[in-house]
Amino acid sequence: AQSVTQPDIHITVSEGASLELRCNYSYGATPYLFWYVQSPGQGLQLLLKYFSGDTLVQGIKGFEAEFKRSQSSFNLRKPSVHWSDAAEYFCAVGASFGNEKLTFGTGTRLTIIP
Amino acid sequence: NAGVTQTPKFQVLKTGQSMTLQCAQDMNHNSMYWYRQDPGMGLRLIYYSASEGTTDKGEVPNGYNVSRLNKREFSLRLESAAPSQTSVYFCASSTPRLAGGRNTGELFFGEGSRLTVL
Repeated sequence: AQSVTQPDIHITVSEGASLELRCNYSYGATPYLFWYVQSPGQGLQLLLKYFSGDTLVQGIKGFEAEFKRSQSSFNLRKPSVHWSDAAEYFCAVGASFGNEKLTFGTGTRLTIIP
Repeated sequence: NAGVTQTPKFQVLKTGQSMTLQCAQDMNHNSMYWYRQDPGMGLRLIYYSASEGTTDKGEVPNGYNVSRLNKREFSLRLESAAPSQTSVYFCASSTPRLAGGRNTGELFFGEGSRLTVL
């Protein structure tokens, strides 16, 4: 069974600074990987996804993530954060075969300071 | 373009009461899911339905039942609510993962239903 670890519960970043959110997964084959963002009181919105090909994937809102098989990681990055990026971020992993259910990490809450 | 719609958005129950959370999607997706979200625990899968007429248990199914009424609707029922079921519940649906295609089982979420059990 697949699993996901997001080691950082809460991160605080200054507006305009760079951001990296960590995600490590466990899965026996090449996984399907996702990053979702949740604003307060809202549902989850997909930022980006990886399933094959180029290991650096671009998403919405200026986010990118890099799949590193050797490190079992799929870290999310943004070169310059905006106050509107304050939210909770979830990494998720899906099996590359079988059903499409996803396993989510526990989330990282991002706070932006002026 | 509604996407995934959940009702109700808020509900307060007393221990032992029953209720049903409703979910409908208008994207013609085959698969639907119910997750619960608790602080520090992320989202945990309660039940899912890969297609109309089929349902399967997820990670935390105890205390819940589901019905896949048709392709559009997937309801979650609490027969006898307990305080441990206080949570935010999310319904989701997904695109199919097609062999050789670029559909990757992305989940589309509703806005959530906040349930408090006293």
